[in-house]
Amino acid sequence: KAGVTQTPRYLIKTRGQQVTLSCSPISGHRSVSWYQQTPGQGLQFLFEYFSETQRNKGNFPGRFSGRQFSNSRSEMNVSTLELGDSALYLCASSQTGAYYGYTFGSGTRLTVV
Amino acid sequence: AQKVTQAQTEISVVEKEDVTLDCVYETRDTTYYLFWYKQPPSGELVFLIRRNSFDEQNEISGRYSWNFQKSTSSFNFTITASQVVDSAVYFCALSEAIKGTDKLIFGTGTRLQVFP
Repeated sequence: KAGVTQTPRYLIKTRGQQVTLSCSPISGHRSVSWYQQTPGQGLQFLFEYFSETQRNKGNFPGRFSGRQFSNSRSEMNVSTLELGDSALYLCASSQTGAYYGYTFGSGTRLTVV
Repeated sequence: AQKVTQAQTEISVVEKEDVTLDCVYETRDTTYYLFWYKQPPSGELVFLIRRNSFDEQNEISGRYSWNFQKSTSSFNFTITASQVVDSAVYFCALSEAIKGTDKLIFGTGTRLQVFP
C-alpha cells in the first residue's frame, strides 16, 4: 500500500516568487492536511481538506492557500515568498480526519533565498 | 485552549537504558485524542500510537509503552532497552473532537539520542 507522496522533495526559490507543492494521499483517504515545520515555531497546522472542501484553517496569512481535487490529491500554494517561509512542509492523510490518526509524507523542504 | 507541553528538549542515553518521554496536555474538551509520532532524520512523521480520552489503559507494544493519566493530563512514553535506531525526535500531539477543529496540536518535540 503506497504511502503519502509529496513532490518535490526539495525546492529552492527566490523571495517574491510563488511555489506549489503537491501531495498524493493514501488511496481511500479523503482528509488531507498540511503542516509547516520550522526550528523556531515547530509543527504548525496550515489547513485541512476533506472531499475538496477546506474544513479548517490555521493562523497563516492569505499568501498560503490550498486545494483538493476530486481524487483527493492536494496542492498548497505560497505566493510572494518570504525568507521566513523556509521550512519543511508536511502533508498528511487520513480516512476521516485528525482524530483518526494521520499518515504523513516525507515532506517538501522549501528554501527561500 | 489546547496545548501540548514536552518539557524535555533533548535526552541522551546509552544503548539498553530505559527512557521516558514526558507529555502534558491541556484541553477543555472531554473527548479528545492523543498521539505520539516519531520523526527520524529523513523527516517523515511516523505514527506510533493513538489513544482516546475514554481509554486510560496503559499500552505496551514491544519495547514501547505508554502511560495515560487523565488526573495529571499526562501521556508519557517509555522505551525499554533503548537502541541506536530509536534516535529521533518524538512528538506528542492532541486532537479535539469538536467540529471545525480537526487538527493536530503538537508539542515542541523531544530529541532522543541513543549512543552505542
